[in-house]
Amino acid sequence: DTEVTQTPKHLVMGMTNKKSLKCEQHMGHRAMYWYKQKAKKPPELMFVYSYEKLSINESVPSRFSPECPNSSLLNLHLHALQPEDSALYLCASSQALSNEQYFGPGTRLTVT
Amino acid sequence: GESVGLHLPTLSVQEGDNSIINCAYSNSASDYFIWYKQESGKGPQFIIDIRSNMDKRQGQRVTVLLNKTVKHLSLQIAATQPGDSAVYFCAETALFGNEKLTFGTGTRLTIIP
Repeated sequence: DTEVTQTPKHLVMGMTNKKSLKCEQHMGHRAMYWYKQKAKKPPELMFVYSYEKLSINESVPSRFSPECPNSSLLNLHLHALQPEDSALYLCASSQALSNEQYFGPGTRLTVT
Repeated sequence: GESVGLHLPTLSVQEGDNSIINCAYSNSASDYFIWYKQESGKGPQFIIDIRSNMDKRQGQRVTVLLNKTVKHLSLQIAATQPGDSAVYFCAETALFGNEKLTFGTGTRLTIIP
């Protein structure tokens, strides 16, 4: 299995909602990442987990809360988002830090 | 056809021709570089990588060239096909000590049938 899966594919949420994005990989990778991508822009790193511990937080607002329950799963909990948070949220994994990263298809998030 | 990254973020190439996409990277400490292809509605897909101890690496129809002196990376795609139409990103990182993969601005490649 060489795939990173993400659910849901699309999500529409109001500014008072709480939702979660999920990411899963079964490649035995020990590093997992969350990126945010706005239209016509490159992915921007949000969080890095290494061996299930948070390694990097790129000064992301606290309304985004990552969680790594085990080595195969990565969640991103969302609460009180703003319309400008609407974007494609990409998950990636790699065998180790700084190795080639495999990306999932992303979750297209719209905040209304 | 040839792009110059930031100055020409779109590139149109006739089907069957070769294309060259350029990227200027920023960090002289970077020693590992990757080219990703992103089709509409999809996540980035790995194309080819190169480490700083090499200046050229070839894959199937793709070649990456690295010039560390001027911090320049290029992706050559031979005999382009309609399926090559996508946005191409270069990305850089350091293999030891820096976990971040930094992406370039991207170039949209359109193959004209």
